[in-house]
Amino acid sequence: DQQVKQNSPSLSVQEGRISILNCDYTNSMFDYFLWYKKYPAEGPTFLISISSIKDKNEDGRFTVFLNKSAKHLSLHIVPSQPGDSAVYFCAASSPGTYKYIFGTGTRLKVLA
Amino acid sequence: KAGVTQTPRYLIKTRGQQVTLSCSPISGHRSVSWYQQTPGQGLQFLFEYFSETQRNKGNFPGRFSGRQFSNSRSEMNVSTLELGDSALYLCASSLALAGNEQFFGPGTRLTVL
Repeated sequence: DQQVKQNSPSLSVQEGRISILNCDYTNSMFDYFLWYKKYPAEGPTFLISISSIKDKNEDGRFTVFLNKSAKHLSLHIVPSQPGDSAVYFCAASSPGTYKYIFGTGTRLKVLA
Repeated sequence: KAGVTQTPRYLIKTRGQQVTLSCSPISGHRSVSWYQQTPGQGLQFLFEYFSETQRNKGNFPGRFSGRQFSNSRSEMNVSTLELGDSALYLCASSLALAGNEQFFGPGTRLTVL
């Protein structure tokens, strides 16, 4: 049972436009969410996180939105750049479990 | 500061064999977590070690085991390999137990024939 779902395996966006990556979760106990970016042949790198007490967190071109009632979070990248082309994973954890549940990833391709 | 290192980077084994993978965390990091990445399954949590003790465990069979040494280096062992164990195995280190920021190594790609 996949508790964290990324239903779009891939996404193509034109350079300069907005990229929106989505993530849904089923466990209402999750209280901390992260996004990771992964290039081929490298491990995932931490991108941005959000706690369940917030509904938005921004870091430069990256913004994560959390909708707790819909159990949905999204990552917005504005403007998208070719170097953003990678696989993006969302992850979630619940208090006390100390482990992260990852989604299956979305491959973003930013076209020049 | 050196990042997380994993050895070997690539490994080919046959069914029934066993394998040991190694992970050296970032200096000063005491927590090491292991993940399995397969197409369609994303990253699945295997276990986390902190101060030489397994603190958390995912839903993997007992064939998957690990340990952590006093210098925080960690090893993961898979016994009686199955074809389905072919995957990228990633380890991640963090300063504290379940640190909010995990730093991943490049992974070990295991192929079971």
